[in-house]
Amino acid sequence: TQLLEQSPQFLSIQEGENLTVYCNSSSVFSSLQWYRQEPGEGPVLLVTVVTGGEVKKLKRLTFQFGDARKDSSLHITAAQTGDTGLYLCAGEVNGNKLVFGAGTILRVKS
Amino acid sequence: DVKVTQSSRYLVKRTGEKVFLECVQDMDHENMFWYRQDPGLGLRLIYFSYDVKMKEKGDIPEGYSVSREKKERFSLILESASTNQTSMYLCASSRTLSSEAFFGQGTRLTVV
Repeated sequence: TQLLEQSPQFLSIQEGENLTVYCNSSSVFSSLQWYRQEPGEGPVLLVTVVTGGEVKKLKRLTFQFGDARKDSSLHITAAQTGDTGLYLCAGEVNGNKLVFGAGTILRVKS
Repeated sequence: DVKVTQSSRYLVKRTGEKVFLECVQDMDHENMFWYRQDPGLGLRLIYFSYDVKMKEKGDIPEGYSVSREKKERFSLILESASTNQTSMYLCASSRTLSSEAFFGQGTRLTVV
């Protein structure tokens, strides 16, 4: 059983569409990180959220940390083919090692 | 440019072989990790090390061992490779246990 559940598992959309992916848990996290992994490469950090209710923006990507720090979402506006990849969330509990979700595979078609 | 480098991108090994996967980081990080990545299962932690010569089991250590003789290098060893160890292996390092993880490009291991 995954400590962090990500949904959907797979998403295929057209360029220009908006999308949201989710990362949920029954556990409270001190912080949560989002990574993107492109085919043939290792994951790369996109953002870290720390405060409940926090919203962070990275160009067309908007990250939100739930008020109770148990869940997070990533919203992409006007998706581009370059957004294609695997999106992973990873949670930290009290300074312990990170726990990763299974990821959402995003495919953006032109 | 900071880097985590894994020694091989692709490896094909026979069942029963001893396999070494090497990882080097140039960021002077205390912590290093080995994960395996399988479709639908995400990243599962095999072993991690928080200091030279120190190691801790992760969630799936069976069939694996590790070595950290120098701060910059963390090796994963498959004592006797089996087909169920066919997977993508990712090495990572970080300043603290839970801070940003920097990953290598991965080694895709196939055991035949």
